[in-house]
Amino acid sequence: SQQGEEDPQALSIQEGENATMNCSYKTSINNLQWYRQNSGRGLVHLILIRSNEREKHSGRLRVTLDTSKKSSSLLITASRAADTASYFCATDNYGQNFVFGPGTRLSVLP
Amino acid sequence: ETGVTQTPRHLVMGMTNKKSLKCEQHLGHNAMYWYKQSAKKPLELMFVYSLEERVENNSVPSRFSPECPNSSHLFLHLHTLQPEDSALYLCASSQDNTGELFFGEGSRLTVL
Repeated sequence: SQQGEEDPQALSIQEGENATMNCSYKTSINNLQWYRQNSGRGLVHLILIRSNEREKHSGRLRVTLDTSKKSSSLLITASRAADTASYFCATDNYGQNFVFGPGTRLSVLP
Repeated sequence: ETGVTQTPRHLVMGMTNKKSLKCEQHLGHNAMYWYKQSAKKPLELMFVYSLEERVENNSVPSRFSPECPNSSHLFLHLHTLQPEDSALYLCASSQDNTGELFFGEGSRLTVL
C-alpha cells in the first residue's frame, strides 16, 4: 500500500509556537499533498509538492519532501488557535488515486 | 465555499430505508469522487468517476450504488445499510485525477 502515515497522531502546542507534522509513505509517488480538516467539515487543500521538488512554502506553511526516505513534513510557523484542525497527507502514485493517511490532530492552545 | 455542494448535510435512516446523497460541483472539473470517513480511520476512497465513467470501485458493498449523470453531478444511492455504515461521506472533484481535490462539506449519515 502507498498509504501515507502521519505522525504524531496528536499534537498540542501553545499559540505562537511552531508545529511540525510528518508523513511517511511506501511506494514511488507523483506528488504529495497536504490537507486540513476542521472538525466534521470537508477537507481543504493546503499545498502540493511534486516528486522532483524538495521544499515549498505557502504563507506560514513549509512543506519538505525527501523521496529517498519516502517522507514529507509540514511545518506551521507562529501557530494560531485557528490552526486547530486535523492535517492529512495524501499521496498520488502516478495516476492511481489519492490515498490519505490517518491524520494528525493539532490543538493550538491560546 | 469550495465550489462543491453536498446535500443533505445530515441524514438519519433505518436499515430498510432507501436514500440518496447528492453532490454538485461548479468548478468545471472532469473527475468526481466519493470518500467515506469513519471515526478513527483514514479516508476510504469508494468511487471515482472520470469524464462520467467509473474508473475505480474499491470493493464497496453493493448496498452503495453511485451514479454520475453528467460531469457536474454525482449521487450515492443507499439501500439496506448497516449501522457500521454510519460515517461522514465526502464528495470531491478535481481536474484530471492527479490534481488538487476540492471537497464538499460532507453528508453525516447515521444508520439506526
